[in-house]
Amino acid sequence: EVQLVQSGAEVKKPGESLKISCKGSGYLFTTSWIGWVRQVPGKGLEWMGIIYPADSDTRYSPSFQGQVTISADKSINTAYLQWSSLKASDTAMYYCARQPARHYGMDVWGQGTTVTVSS
Amino acid sequence: DIQMTQSPSSVSASVGDRVTITCRASQGISSWLAWYQQKPGKAPRLLIYAASSLQSGVPLRFSGSGSGTEFTLTISSLQPEDFATYYCQQANSFLALTFGGGTKVEIK
Repeated sequence: EVQLVQSGAEVKKPGESLKISCKGSGYLFTTSWIGWVRQVPGKGLEWMGIIYPADSDTRYSPSFQGQVTISADKSINTAYLQWSSLKASDTAMYYCARQPARHYGMDVWGQGTTVTVSS
Repeated sequence: DIQMTQSPSSVSASVGDRVTITCRASQGISSWLAWYQQKPGKAPRLLIYAASSLQSGVPLRFSGSGSGTEFTLTISSLQPEDFATYYCQQANSFLALTFGGGTKVEIK
């Protein structure tokens, strides 16, 4: 079974750093892109960026460029989303999802990681 | 960025109704559009890719059409499990694979 399993919920204080993960299984991890999507409670989906684990080619939405870092470790089939200094406005659900090809859609989704940033 | 505008933002419908949701792109995106369904507390689910291709396992009552800047998602006969929020996403420009604002399909 193809699946993406994300790391657990996080509660952090403003200014703290954080790295969440997304581990793929059931398919060849290096042959698909992995994207990250934010969903603020009660709001819509926001595309943050995407990485190709085979060579770490990474693209960011202009809205998130410089705010987060996307990375991957193909040796352990895992993609990451990290923040160096969290803000309260980063409180959201974060999903990773597989994109098999450039013009396809996101066909397999992780279960989501809730990030709460509060003092 | 390419902006994606969905309409309506919500629709009330009954089981068995035909429902159509529209998505407009701020510039041409060929046929590179995907549709997703999201239920409360769940991750989105891919329904349609490349504007009209049905993702494996998705019921045939879902269909997509369009190209360029205007696209539609149609549910031919609404079922109880279809009450959810639907999103379009442009898959043309990797600079930002923008989502539409969503359309909530509610029970009438």
